[in-house]
Amino acid sequence: DGGITQSPKYLFRKEGQNVTLSCEQNLNHDAMYWYRQDPGQGLRLIYYSQIVNDFQKGDIAEGYSVSREKKESFPLTVTSAQKNPTAFYLCASTPTGEAETQYFGPGTRLLVL
Amino acid sequence: AQSVSQHNHHVILSEAASLELGCNYSYGGTVNLFWYVQYPGQHLQLLLKYFSGDPLVKGIKGFEAEFIKSKFSFNLRKPSVQWSDTAEYFCAVNSGSARQLTFGSGTQLTVLP
Repeated sequence: DGGITQSPKYLFRKEGQNVTLSCEQNLNHDAMYWYRQDPGQGLRLIYYSQIVNDFQKGDIAEGYSVSREKKESFPLTVTSAQKNPTAFYLCASTPTGEAETQYFGPGTRLLVL
Repeated sequence: AQSVSQHNHHVILSEAASLELGCNYSYGGTVNLFWYVQYPGQHLQLLLKYFSGDPLVKGIKGFEAEFIKSKFSFNLRKPSVQWSDTAEYFCAVNSGSARQLTFGSGTQLTVLP
């Protein structure tokens, strides 16, 4: 069954704690993206990766980190430096040659305790 | 930097009414334009996209959008909405040189039965 999977669906973070959100795709897509969705603000780009072992900061990268060691995986770590992490996080990917059409995973909702 | 404006934050319609959601972008060069939809509890899905050619684009579920270059607009339309169209709608833009999407803030559409 092909697609983009994100886990967990809900994640709770304590103050000062780092947490990692998983994003996996078995679509053989080259590019992957992380967005943050807040009510009334749409989606804002955190990080993106065009190829393995390479990634770029998006508009709101502060307090986040990523890695791209495998083509199918692009985990996002929300560090303790991110002061307002409560949000809905969406992962997306783009196949080569589809002119930036992005396909989205189901999302992870992060809540701070 | 490119930006996207969706002027209507919340639209409420009765079933069978016609729909038009506004989207304006600020970029003077070649653009790729998208409308995404997020139904309650579901993934963000691609509704339609425009890359080139006929400026009137037809998407899924009877939606269409018209690219008007002189107005920097890409408005979404549907002649007769259904209760099942209740969702949040996002306009997005990708300029020719960038490999990332810029999203509008979204429009919540509520269709009353």
